[in-house]
Amino acid sequence: GDSVTQMEGPVTLSEEAFLTINCTYTATGYPSLFWYVQYPGEGLQLLLKATKADDKGSNKGFEATYRKETTSFHLEKGSVQVSDSAVYFCALRANQAGTALIFGKGTTLSVSS
Amino acid sequence: DVKVTQSSRYLVKRTGEKVFLECVQDMDHENMFWYRQDPGLGLRLIYFSYDVKMKEKGDIPEGYSVSREKKERFSLILESASTNQTSMYLCASSRQGLNTEAFFGQGTRLTVV
Repeated sequence: GDSVTQMEGPVTLSEEAFLTINCTYTATGYPSLFWYVQYPGEGLQLLLKATKADDKGSNKGFEATYRKETTSFHLEKGSVQVSDSAVYFCALRANQAGTALIFGKGTTLSVSS
Repeated sequence: DVKVTQSSRYLVKRTGEKVFLECVQDMDHENMFWYRQDPGLGLRLIYFSYDVKMKEKGDIPEGYSVSREKKERFSLILESASTNQTSMYLCASSRQGLNTEAFFGQGTRLTVV
């Protein structure tokens, strides 16, 4: 079945460092891909998404490109801030009706000043 | 803004009790979902519903049931709570159709003692 694998954390960075969180997927067809973020004590929020190959999703300085050839959707940010400290989840949704989001296990990011 | 509201942020229940977790969304979404979130395991789908009175089992339905009598409300029921059901429970909703993202509630942290 479909699945998502993302790098294990925690990831610990200093403010203004470059961030990459790796995400790869297994799916038939052409799923939609998502990154969600969960701040402490809160539910998940959509960070960005991409719905077809070579699409780039971006939001709040974060970017991810849908790479069909490598089945990847890595999350990047050029300069992280302390406020980016959170848990990040990669997810996919099969391109058919009546399906749910499938999530990776999450990566905890901790940014220090 | 889409709002998904879960009835409780924190619950403490005794082993063997019947537990109801309620979720309401205000955007007329067709799809609703229940996930549980555990450290190191990410989000796992319990049940989802794509229409009133319709339900589909997710990856871990054992020990749970659901009810969707109205479009805006999706209830998760623990028939006889057990300590291994202590977890964070997240409700989500989405529009019908391809490529749509899900919107999450704040979560209910359930402790079974």
